Amino acid sequence: ELKVEQNPLFLSMQEGKNYTIYCNYSTTSDRLYWYRQDPGKSLESLFVLLSNGAVKQEGRLMASLDTKARLSTLHITAAVHDLSATYFCAVVETSGSRLTFGEGTQLTVNP
Amino acid sequence: KAGVTQTPRYLIKTRGQQVTLSCSPISGHRSVSWYQQTPGQGLQFLFEYFSETQRNKGNFPGRFSGRQFSNSRSEMNVSTLELGDSALYLCASRPTSNTEAFFGQGTRLTVV
Repeated sequence: ELKVEQNPLFLSMQEGKNYTIYCNYSTTSDRLYWYRQDPGKSLESLFVLLSNGAVKQEGRLMASLDTKARLSTLHITAAVHDLSATYFCAVVETSGSRLTFGEGTQLTVNP
Repeated sequence: KAGVTQTPRYLIKTRGQQVTLSCSPISGHRSVSWYQQTPGQGLQFLFEYFSETQRNKGNFPGRFSGRQFSNSRSEMNVSTLELGDSALYLCASRPTSNTEAFFGQGTRLTVV
């Protein structure tokens, strides 16, 4: 059974600081997704990572995938308050289709 | 292009009742998946439909069922509701099963 673990689960940081959220998974996968969720809202797709070594950047967020280590990272650069949300990684097993989500990382960026 | 539409957005039901939730995927998308989100269990996969066929099913009791129509719209039914069924139910739409999933706004179900 595929297991996905994120850490940290809670992250409080100051504006302007950098930090990284980690996503580990337990079986082979060639597709990993990052989503953002604001309180009471749905999931917004941030990144789709499809191959080993994939790196994608959008604004202050950068995601990478290492399929050999079964690890993805979401790096936040110079955080701003608007980034406060819960971030989920989701993994699809090789030859599968269902998304298995991590527990989510609740990020709070303080002024 | 319209997004994924889920109805209703909010629902309050009594224990023992049944409920039907609806999901209209993005036009042209044939895969619809359902997920349950609760504070305790997080996001859990319920089932996936593709071209009216259930392709995948999560580890939920038989009280949870679904179907997909020829226009790709999907419904999810929960019978004999329990308090623990209170959750945000999210529907995800994809062109095919191995592409990016787009989520609807969800249906917040409260069982009292």
